[in-house]
Amino acid sequence: GAGVSQSPSNKVTEKGKDVELRCDPISGHTALYWYRQSLGQGLEFLIYFQGNSAPDKSGLPSDRFSAERTGGSVSTLTIQRTQQEDSAVYLCASSLDELAGGGDTQYFGPGTRLTVL
Amino acid sequence: GENVEQHPSTLSVQEGDSAVIKCTYSDSASNYFPWYKQELGKRPQLIIDIRSNVGEKKDQRIAVTLNKTAKHFSLHITETQPEDSAVYFCAATHQDKLIFGTGTRLQVFP
Repeated sequence: GAGVSQSPSNKVTEKGKDVELRCDPISGHTALYWYRQSLGQGLEFLIYFQGNSAPDKSGLPSDRFSAERTGGSVSTLTIQRTQQEDSAVYLCASSLDELAGGGDTQYFGPGTRLTVL
Repeated sequence: GENVEQHPSTLSVQEGDSAVIKCTYSDSASNYFPWYKQELGKRPQLIIDIRSNVGEKKDQRIAVTLNKTAKHFSLHITETQPEDSAVYFCAATHQDKLIFGTGTRLQVFP
């Protein structure tokens, strides 16, 4: 079946512009996660959704970052007034969310490479 | 907050040798420990995972061990091959999410 998809695959923007990144999870997966991966670095948790609710937004770096999920499916991560330090690969993952404590396997999308000039 | 430490950051081995990557975690409630492999420019892919009710799990050339008392878990790759070259990430659950280690870049030389 289809895996997690993300769009665009690459995004180049100018400092100060807003960007929207999209994630399409695996069909039926109720949990959705956003991560940020800077060049050569690890995976930094940003936010996760259970259905359309975001119980944990603790990883969002600043109030310029926001995310929403509609219909329990597609999610959009929005970065307002982008800064050069926002340049990174933004990864989305989804899981079934059947096991307590986040113990379901997370499947990753291919990521969106964001470059802020 | 929860922390997952991973060592070493880089590891070079000769083809056919074994590779071991170690992680420690701080949340005693963590109950799921996956390992992901990320090839250059690709998405992370799950290679093996272990839950807190077992101490060891093996899948062909890869194995993971878990010591809940000491709060550490390890990835073992035997008979390494050049295609094992990648960055490997460990992770542990914390409050319904995964906290990832900083990654180990494994290079297998022919």
